[in-house]
Amino acid sequence: GAVVSQHPSRVICKSGTSVKIECRSLDFQATTMFWYRQFPKKSLMLMATSNEGSKATYEQGVEKDKFLINHASLTLSTLTVTSAHPEDSSFYICSARAPAGVPSDEQYFGPGTRLTVT
Amino acid sequence: LAKTTQPISMDSYEGQEVNITCSHNNIATNDYITWYQQFPSQGPRFIIQGYKTKVTNEVASLFIPADRKSSTLSLPRVSLSDTAVYYCLVGDTNSGNTPLVFGKGTRLSVIA
Repeated sequence: GAVVSQHPSRVICKSGTSVKIECRSLDFQATTMFWYRQFPKKSLMLMATSNEGSKATYEQGVEKDKFLINHASLTLSTLTVTSAHPEDSSFYICSARAPAGVPSDEQYFGPGTRLTVT
Repeated sequence: LAKTTQPISMDSYEGQEVNITCSHNNIATNDYITWYQQFPSQGPRFIIQGYKTKVTNEVASLFIPADRKSSTLSLPRVSLSDTAVYYCLVGDTNSGNTPLVFGKGTRLSVIA
């Protein structure tokens, strides 16, 4: 099946710094990608929908100026956590919809990025 | 987006069949039912998807009654490695811009 990768897999940063997380669709083009965050023992929470070539659509309660999303190409979306604070520590997961014409209607998920802000 | 309700947790012994039922009373005509599996510190992994009746693949079976207001994921002969959280999701997968919204999932613990 299609593969979605994330980089880095884990990152530790100091409070006040910014961190960029990359999400790539390795063998297909994804016009739409989604970003989720997940706290321990909790479910995935949708943060935003990333559309190639246009602005991301953020879910209610997600600060667009803090979580910057860029989807500059059909295979790459980035999430930048600006001025990170300890409460931003979480597991961030991206996903991409199966491309048109592919029989499966799956949504492919990346392996996730563990962010720890000290 | 249709809301789903699943048991919070389930326990099973190795080798048994496990059935996890999900309620989705407000499912729409265009909605499909999809199940994902998630291990700790990993992204969710697709298990199976269906629209109605029964779907079977090499991993699981999905039973959907005629009214589609519920679905049951059946895992045959579970092993310790099946310990994970299982999510039932409902949505129109034909719409490329529609994200999957996760409920709380069912935490399955398989015991030796």
